[in-house]
Amino acid sequence: EIVLTQSPGTLSLSPGERATLSCRASQSVSSSYLAWYQQKPGQAPRLLIYGTSSRATGIPDRFSGSGSGTDFTLTISRLEPEDFAVYYCQQYGSSLTFGGGTKVEIK
Amino acid sequence: EVQLVESGGGLVKPGGSLRLSCVASGFTFSSQTMNWVRQAPGKGLEWVSSISSSSSHIYYGGSVKGRFTTSRDNAKNSLYLHMNSLRVEDTGVYYCARDGPPVPTALGTFDYWGQGTLVTVSS
Repeated sequence: EIVLTQSPGTLSLSPGERATLSCRASQSVSSSYLAWYQQKPGQAPRLLIYGTSSRATGIPDRFSGSGSGTDFTLTISRLEPEDFAVYYCQQYGSSLTFGGGTKVEIK
Repeated sequence: EVQLVESGGGLVKPGGSLRLSCVASGFTFSSQTMNWVRQAPGKGLEWVSSISSSSSHIYYGGSVKGRFTTSRDNAKNSLYLHMNSLRVEDTGVYYCARDGPPVPTALGTFDYWGQGTLVTVSS
């Protein structure tokens, strides 16, 4: 099973700042089958990014994904108030696993 | 508008059984792979199961394999999760989710989610 480790656990930033979230895999993720989700309290997750860097329908372009092999990054170029949430990475190249999440909180 | 509505959650004793349902609308249910994902209280996401559009392929996560069974009824636009031999660690919110953009892998992403149904396993 591919284990995904997300860091940092919590990211404290101010609106307008840039957020960089990391997702590291225990082994190479096939063909960059890596996705990112956003989850707000009391809500279901929302798909942001799939295939490492493709934005899902309706996702603003301040969200971008990059990486390959075992190291992947979600970048939020300028944080909006509605972006403060928990973010999860997910790989689907070998079965399916999620990372433990990174909380982006208001500083 | 895509809608997924789960039901069937509740309190059950360890070793007990429960059946969850998910009714879909707003898309061609019979053409889509469907999934169950769960989340323990205050914890992260865990994939539970996926079922292909015709039920020809069904996959399970390691922690539920042999205890849970996923099925679907395309005539009723419904997805089911039959849970047996429930354990305390099965407690959590269970989400029904639609498969995301097409991929060549057996499993993929999830682009629409229901609001979830809470399962509590406790004596």
